[in-house]
Amino acid sequence: GAGVSQSPSNKVTEKGKDVELRCDPISGHTALYWYRQSLGQGLEFLIYFQGNSAPDKSGLPSDRFSAERTGGSVSTLTIQRTQQEDSAVYLCASSDWRGDTQYFGPGTRLTVL
Amino acid sequence: AQTVTQSQPEMSVQEAETVTLSCTYDTSENNYYLFWYKQPPSRQMILVIRQEAYKQQNATENRFSVNFQKAAKSFSLKISDSQLGDTAMYFCAFIDPNRDDKIIFGKGTRLHILP
Repeated sequence: GAGVSQSPSNKVTEKGKDVELRCDPISGHTALYWYRQSLGQGLEFLIYFQGNSAPDKSGLPSDRFSAERTGGSVSTLTIQRTQQEDSAVYLCASSDWRGDTQYFGPGTRLTVL
Repeated sequence: AQTVTQSQPEMSVQEAETVTLSCTYDTSENNYYLFWYKQPPSRQMILVIRQEAYKQQNATENRFSVNFQKAAKSFSLKISDSQLGDTAMYFCAFIDPNRDDKIIFGKGTRLHILP
């Protein structure tokens, strides 16, 4: 079946604008994760959704970041009042069950001018 | 705290050679999962291989195999007959399914396969 998809693939925005990044997980996967990857760096955990449970938001760097997952499927990561340090690749992953292999989307490259 | 360490920031090998990427981790748990992910310039993270800690047999996928040393907390990746398409960042990762679902990544090894 289809893998994890993300849109847009690239986003350029001006400092201070809000952006929304979308993730469509693999059908049937109950777990969904957002990560941030700065240039040449590893992955930084942002937020995790599991079924209908309250999300784990412990990785969100500031209150400008928020995410929601509607209907247990598609997720949107919103960054308000973007800053230049928000420039990074934002990766989404999904998995079938707790602790299982995570499958990643192609990412969204965000550039804040 | 659970950590994953990749001690080789960058490596280069000639095409067709065998290369081993090292990874060590720290945990007090007995049951967990280990992964190697590949991230080529296209930035798509691709699962290379998965190892369940309770299995003693080393996982293998075609040219990719691991040397899992549980007591030493070591999980190295061997790439045999390396190909130009193997050029990528390789991340070692760890999940403790009994604690939370955060996958812990190492900082990665940038591998260059030279023609």
